Amino acid sequence: EPEVTQTPSHQVTQMGQEVILRCVPISNHLYFYWYRQILGQKVEFLVSFYNNEISEKSEIFDDQFSVERPDGSNFTLKIRSTKLEDSAMYFCASSERVLNTEAFFGQGTRLTVV
Amino acid sequence: RKEVEQDPGPFNVPEGATVAFNCTYSNSASQSFFWYRQDCRKEPKLLMSVYSSGNEDGRFTAQLNRASQYISLLIRDSKLSDSATYLCVVNRAAGNKLTFGGGTRVLVKP
Repeated sequence: EPEVTQTPSHQVTQMGQEVILRCVPISNHLYFYWYRQILGQKVEFLVSFYNNEISEKSEIFDDQFSVERPDGSNFTLKIRSTKLEDSAMYFCASSERVLNTEAFFGQGTRLTVV
Repeated sequence: RKEVEQDPGPFNVPEGATVAFNCTYSNSASQSFFWYRQDCRKEPKLLMSVYSSGNEDGRFTAQLNRASQYISLLIRDSKLSDSATYLCVVNRAAGNKLTFGGGTRVLVKP
């Protein structure tokens, strides 16, 4: 069964450092997303991406965040200068269409900023 | 008012019993509705989509009430493995952004 894969599964970084979280969406999917979940809290939308550009982003997704699809398979989230409050589980997801279709989530990257 | 609201629970359910819970959403223009399941520290996994006419998948039944802006999930003959957090997820008509509720925790006990 096709699945979304994310690497690394766990990343520890020092405050102020840059991190790149990587995702390989399901191959025939056209819409890609990043979500985050702070421990004990709900899943929050960060950004959606379609046709090589951001289609929507939340207020969380400020100038410290960026996304890229550097090739035909990878989808990355970069945090330029990490803060303690960026510590969370980051989920990548993809979907075939935008409406009335389910999104499939990767297993997540646990980011710990120390 | 929160975009998607759920009773956090926990719902303590005896094995074999039926449990049901709702989720309310604030945006009347919402188009797509889903129930996801999340196990502790794992990714959300799609349980079922929710259609206007209501739909059933084995022991799970989902209903949508557009007039009152809520969706429901009913689990029959609960199994120990049904213990999880159930996430209500809504997609608006415009844009492609899934909005998650805070989840309803269900604990099925022997």
